[in-house]
Parts: sequence; C-alpha cells; structure tokens
Amino acid sequence: GDSVTQMEGPVTLSEEAFLTINCTYTATGYPSLFWYVQYPGEGLQLLLKATKADDKGSNKGFEATYRKETTSFHLEKGSVQVSDSAVYFCALSGKGSQGNLIFGKGTKLSVKP
Amino acid sequence: DTGVSQDPRHKITKRGQNVTFRCDPISEHNRLYWYRQTLGQGPEFLTYFQNEAQLEKSRLLSDRFSAERPKGSFSTLEIQRTEQGDSAMYLCASSLLRPTSNTEAFFGQGTRLTVV
Repeated sequence: GDSVTQMEGPVTLSEEAFLTINCTYTATGYPSLFWYVQYPGEGLQLLLKATKADDKGSNKGFEATYRKETTSFHLEKGSVQVSDSAVYFCALSGKGSQGNLIFGKGTKLSVKP
Repeated sequence: DTGVSQDPRHKITKRGQNVTFRCDPISEHNRLYWYRQTLGQGPEFLTYFQNEAQLEKSRLLSDRFSAERPKGSFSTLEIQRTEQGDSAMYLCASSLLRPTSNTEAFFGQGTRLTVV
C-alpha cells in the first residue's frame, strides 16, 4: 500500500543553518504531497503542498519539489530560525482526496540560538 | 470561524469504560476525518465522512470504535470497552470538497486519551 518514509530525528541546528528533511514515498497513481508542521502545544498545520510532478511548494521560506523520478519531496529552508522548532510531517493523499492522508513518522527539529 | 474544535482536550478513563469525543468542523466543510496519533508516530487515518455519510473506514477502526455525523455537521467518535492500547491523541480534520477540487485538510488540536 501507499506509504511515506521520512528521515528520523531529532534534528538539532543552529540558527541560520541550512535545513533538509528527506521524504520519500510509495504510491500507486499520482498522489498530492504535503508537509505539515506541528508547533509545541498546537495542532497540525499545512506548511506547503504540491499536486503534480515538478511542482514546487513554498511557504515561510520552506520549499519542497515533487520529484516523481526519485519519488521524493524533501523539505528545505536556507536559514532556520528558533521559531521553526517543531515537528514536521511529510504526507501524501490517498485515493484522490486531499483529506485522506498518509503520514510519515515525523521529524522533530530543534533550532538553537 | 474558529477552525476545527475538539472536545474534550484531555480525557483520562479507566480500562473498560466507554468514552466519546466530539469534533466541530469548519462550518462550510462537507468532509470530516478522524485520525489517531500515538507517541512518536505520524497520524493514522481512521475514517471519514462526506456530509452525513461515512465513506471509508480503516482497518484500524475495530468493532469497539464507532463514529457518527448525524446531521452532516459535528461528529462523535465513541470507543467502547477502552483498552490501554487505545491511549493516543485523536485528531479531527475537515475540508471542503467542490466538484472539481478539494481544499486542504484543517486539523483540530486533538483529544488526548489516556486509559489507566
């Protein structure tokens, strides 16, 4: 069945460092891909998404490109801030619905000043 | 609009008791989803509704679990005869399905269930 694999954390970076969180997927058909973020004490929020191959999703300085050839959707940010400390989840949509999501296990990011 | 709200935020119950959670989606959203998240894992899909119809149930949803959305607005998730393995965060999400597109899913803050 469909699945998502993302790099395990925790990831600890210094402020202004470059961030990459790897995500690969297995799916039949052409799913939509998402990154959700969960800040401490808050609910899941959509960070960015891409709905077809070669699309780039971007938001708040984060970017991810839908790579069909490598079945990947890696999350990147050029310069992280302390406020980016959170848990990041890669996800794909199942069966054509953007709500029926399959999530990775999450990667906890801690950014130190 | 205050987003998706869930009640209660926390619930502690004794093993064998029944519990019920409530989810109020964003008012115009016609799709409503339930997920379960255990510590260190990503959310796992349980079930979803389109209006009042329950269209899909995961194999994770055992016979002790039942979900309803009687008027196509709020939803309840009931767990009967709770077990310690039911301890988790239960998340609700909603989205708006249009004829040619579907909005993103908006999540509530979840109900954390602890079975002792």
